[in-house]
Amino acid sequence: DSGVTQTPKHLITATGQRVTLRCSPRSGDLSVYWYQQSLDQGLQFLIQYYNGEERAKGNILERFSAQQFPDLHSELNLSSLELGDSALYFCASSVEEAGRTHGYTFGSGTRLTVV
Amino acid sequence: AQTVTQSQPEMSVQEAETVTLSCTYDTSENNYYLFWYKQPPSRQMILVIRQEAYKQQNATENRFSVNFQKAAKSFSLKISDSQLGDTAMYFCAFMKQNGATNKLIFGTGTLLAVQP
Repeated sequence: DSGVTQTPKHLITATGQRVTLRCSPRSGDLSVYWYQQSLDQGLQFLIQYYNGEERAKGNILERFSAQQFPDLHSELNLSSLELGDSALYFCASSVEEAGRTHGYTFGSGTRLTVV
Repeated sequence: AQTVTQSQPEMSVQEAETVTLSCTYDTSENNYYLFWYKQPPSRQMILVIRQEAYKQQNATENRFSVNFQKAAKSFSLKISDSQLGDTAMYFCAFMKQNGATNKLIFGTGTLLAVQP
């Protein structure tokens, strides 16, 4: 157990639907990152939150949104789902001290299948 | 923009032998971190080793070591005494230091198969 918890582990849904992926970071980590891993695009950075505020955006579609709550857990919302959104979605957390980092700790991912 | 290139899509090694995975990167930054992550069939992303660019000494973690060549922008991973459990996809990753965000930029990965 890495300490980063993602739910659900698997999700199968139809095109056009909306889903919410949840992530609880490792205790003490203020930063949460979301990544999408697909066969053709590799690992792509979606978005980062730090202590409740959005810090950086990557290749995140307008149909996707995220937030980080006061208890530091984060949710990634995916709407109007398309077949191409099928992927493994990772959450990661990190502790940052004086601009230094020890790297991320990843959750086990949510496998999303859109049918 | 930073890029990370892994030119070996697949590699194979015999158990107990040594294998080296290649990684090059492109950046104009002087301060940054480099990482190797392992993704076994379970799909979990596991940190293997970390290198700070300002440190000239190559990082080592048990059987895993890196050859960091800053001028050449090269960061290879050496796995000694390969074990069956080392079979995984290996990703090289770059992170700018002291940036507004600590996002990781990943290479496309190298699939390593350890043969018995």
